[in-house]
Amino acid sequence: EPEVTQTPSHQVTQMGQEVILRCVPISNHLYFYWYRQILGQKVEFLVSFYNNEISEKSEIFDDQFSVERPDGSNFTLKIRSTKLEDSAMYFCASSEDRVTDTQYFGPGTRLTVL
Amino acid sequence: GEDVEQSLFLSVREGDSSVINCTYTDSSSTYLYWYKQEPGAGLQLLTYIFSNMDMKQDQRLTVLLNKKDKHLSLRIADTQTGDSAIYFCAESPTLHGATNKLIFGTGTLLAVQP
Repeated sequence: EPEVTQTPSHQVTQMGQEVILRCVPISNHLYFYWYRQILGQKVEFLVSFYNNEISEKSEIFDDQFSVERPDGSNFTLKIRSTKLEDSAMYFCASSEDRVTDTQYFGPGTRLTVL
Repeated sequence: GEDVEQSLFLSVREGDSSVINCTYTDSSSTYLYWYKQEPGAGLQLLTYIFSNMDMKQDQRLTVLLNKKDKHLSLRIADTQTGDSAIYFCAESPTLHGATNKLIFGTGTLLAVQP
């Protein structure tokens, strides 16, 4: 069964460093998402992406964040200058159908900012 | 505003039925979802229900929707120890733009006692 994959599974970085989180969505999906879950808190929407552009972004998704689909398979989330409060589990999701919008999630990348 | 609430914890005995409840605020949500998160894993889509339905059954899972009260429940029949996980309710607010973000509840930790 096709699945969303994410790398790395765990990333440790120093405050102020740039990180790139990578995702490979399901191959025939057209809609892509990033969510994050700070430990003990709700899963929060960050950004959605369709047709090579951002469709919607949350208040969390400020200028420090960017997304890109550099080729036909990868979907990346870049955090330019990480802060301690960026420590969280980051989930990528993709969906084929905007109507039912059944989003399939990857296993997540745990980002730890020291 | 958009908000989804769930009780935090439910403990049941193996073989019993589990009922996990959720309330949401956005009455325009077209679809509502249940996701399962096992320890250290991503979010697994369990089932979803269209807002014009009252009930949906899928093997051991039964979803009930009371649109008037904005109340969603997930019933797991014959609960097994493998069902122990965190269960998230999510709503998909009114379609706008090209994509649709999910709003997640706090998650309910289901503990199944042997």
